Amino acid sequence: GQNIDQPTEMTATEGAIVQINCTYQTSGFNGLFWYQQHAGEAPTFLSYNVLDGLEEKGRFSSFLSRSKGYSYLLLKELQMKDSASYLCAVRDSNYQLIWGAGTKLIIKP
Amino acid sequence: GAGVSQSPRYKVTKRGQDVALRCDPISGHVSLYWYRQALGQGPEFLTYFNYEAQQDKSGLPNDRFSAERPEGSISTLTIQRTEQRDSAMYRCASSPGLADSSYEQYFGPGTRLTVT
Repeated sequence: GQNIDQPTEMTATEGAIVQINCTYQTSGFNGLFWYQQHAGEAPTFLSYNVLDGLEEKGRFSSFLSRSKGYSYLLLKELQMKDSASYLCAVRDSNYQLIWGAGTKLIIKP
Repeated sequence: GAGVSQSPRYKVTKRGQDVALRCDPISGHVSLYWYRQALGQGPEFLTYFNYEAQQDKSGLPNDRFSAERPEGSISTLTIQRTEQRDSAMYRCASSPGLADSSYEQYFGPGTRLTVT
């Protein structure tokens, strides 16, 4: 079967750095996406990786290792508004997005 | 510019009734996706369209669920003979590229379906 694993919940301090990990086992691989979802709202796109390595976009960076079936999302200079769920999604050989359950990130002052 | 819109935002229906959920994608977006999302979970793929063609409906739970996008724009997800287990948030997303492109998906606000 297909599986995406992320930690259920993480806590971090305002101004700090946090890394959210995602491991996957899917039928094929055609890219990995990270989305942010605030409570009661729709998911919004953060980043896309299809090749190994680091993609940086402002305070957010995402890393991919296809050989290890592993990705992480790195959030720097955390702000209170970053409190949300972070969803990892892998596009499989049928170009379906397979989603993880999300990591709820709690930011404390 | 307008984002993805869905209607109704909330739907309460009695078991056994049919419901139709509408998705209006961002203008010009070629692919459209339907998901179901339970609280505290990621979206669960249901089906998707490239233009008006339904490419993959393998995620539809059973034959009570169907979807169409006849003119390659607005899409309708229909659930016949609803059951309580169909209660969920149904989300639609659209993308400016085909499913194999690097474009992200833009999500609508969802329709919260409750079957009593």
